[in-house]
Parts: sequence; C-alpha cells; structure tokens
Amino acid sequence: TQLLEQSPQFLSIQEGENLTVYCNSSSVFSSLQWYRQEPGEGPVLLVTVVTGGEVKKLKRLTFQFGDARKDSSLHITAAQPGDTGLYLCAGYNQAGTALIFGKGTTLSVSS
Amino acid sequence: NAGVMQNPRHLVRRRGQEARLRCSPMKGHSHVYWYRQLPEEGLKFMVYLQKENIIDESGMPKERFSAEFPKEGPSILRIQQVVRGDSAAYFCASSPHRGRDEKLFFGSGTQLSVL
Repeated sequence: TQLLEQSPQFLSIQEGENLTVYCNSSSVFSSLQWYRQEPGEGPVLLVTVVTGGEVKKLKRLTFQFGDARKDSSLHITAAQPGDTGLYLCAGYNQAGTALIFGKGTTLSVSS
Repeated sequence: NAGVMQNPRHLVRRRGQEARLRCSPMKGHSHVYWYRQLPEEGLKFMVYLQKENIIDESGMPKERFSAEFPKEGPSILRIQQVVRGDSAAYFCASSPHRGRDEKLFFGSGTQLSVL
C-alpha cells in the first residue's frame, strides 16, 4: 500500500514568516501533486512535479520533488493570511486508477 | 464553463434511510472519482468510474455503498441504510483522461449528516 505522510499536521505562523511542509513516502511515485483546500470547498490543484529533483515556483510557493521521487516539499516565503488552508500532497497508485492523498498540513497565517 | 457540480451541498438523513449523492463532471470529462473526507482521516479514495464502468472500487465499503456513472446523467453515490459513521464530506472529482499525471477537478462536496 502506498502511503503519503505529511508533516507537520498543523502549523500556525505570523504573516511574513517562511515555512516548509513535507510529504514523504517509502514508495516511488511517477509524479506528485499538491492541492490546497479551503473550508467548505474541494481541493484545488497547485502544481504537479514530475521529474526527480525538479523545482517549481508559483509566486511565493516553491515545490520540490525528491531525487528518488519518494518525497516532496512545499516552501512558502513571506506567508500571508490568504495562504491559510489545508495543503495536501497526492500521488497515483501503481495501477494509475486512484489518486492517493496524504492527510494534509493545516496552515493558519495570522496578521 | 461550469466546474464539477455536486448536489445537494448538505444532506441530512436518519439512521436506516438511503442517501443519494449526485455529481456532474466538467464538460468533456468522462472519468469520475469519489472521495470521503473526515477531519481525522483525511481525503480517502472510494471509487473510480469511467462512463458506464467501475474501474477501481478498492476504497468502497463492500456493503451498503454503490456507485454508478450512466451513459447519460450524473454519477451517483448511493449509501443504503445509513449509520452515524457515514457522516462525512463526500467529494467528487473528474478528469478528461486517465493517467498517472492527470490532475483532478473537484466539486464543492456534499456534507452528509446522519441523525
């Protein structure tokens, strides 16, 4: 069974701080996806990382895929209250029939 | 360009009743996924359907739960004889293709409450 472990589970920071959240597995994934979910809504895709070692930037968000394609990280620079939400990483099972999610990191950014 | 539509947004049922959750995928999407979310468990895969076919139902409980995606009309997740433990947010997602890099487009979910 492929599992994705995310840490930390909760993170509460002040506006302007930097933070990193992690997504780890003992399994190799062909790609990993990062979603953000706000209360009462479904997850929305932020980025997909495909190549081992890949770094993708989305404004203040930087995503990295581990060289061995078993882990990924999300770094946010100068966090803002609008970044508040649940951050989920996800990868497909071996058969490509199910997108499996980690339990997520709940981020709260206060002004 | 409408997104994934789920209805109802909120559904209240008494124990023993049936719950029917509907999902209309994005236009042009023929792949539908259902997920259940509980705060302590995260987003759990239930079933993957392609028009008229169940492709992967490995996350679906063996009893009381069923899903369909007919040729015409929305996908339906049906829960018979609901119990309190079925209370959760149920999300539907769709994609235009099948593949290991496919991103999913999610609906806003149906919050099921069982009294």
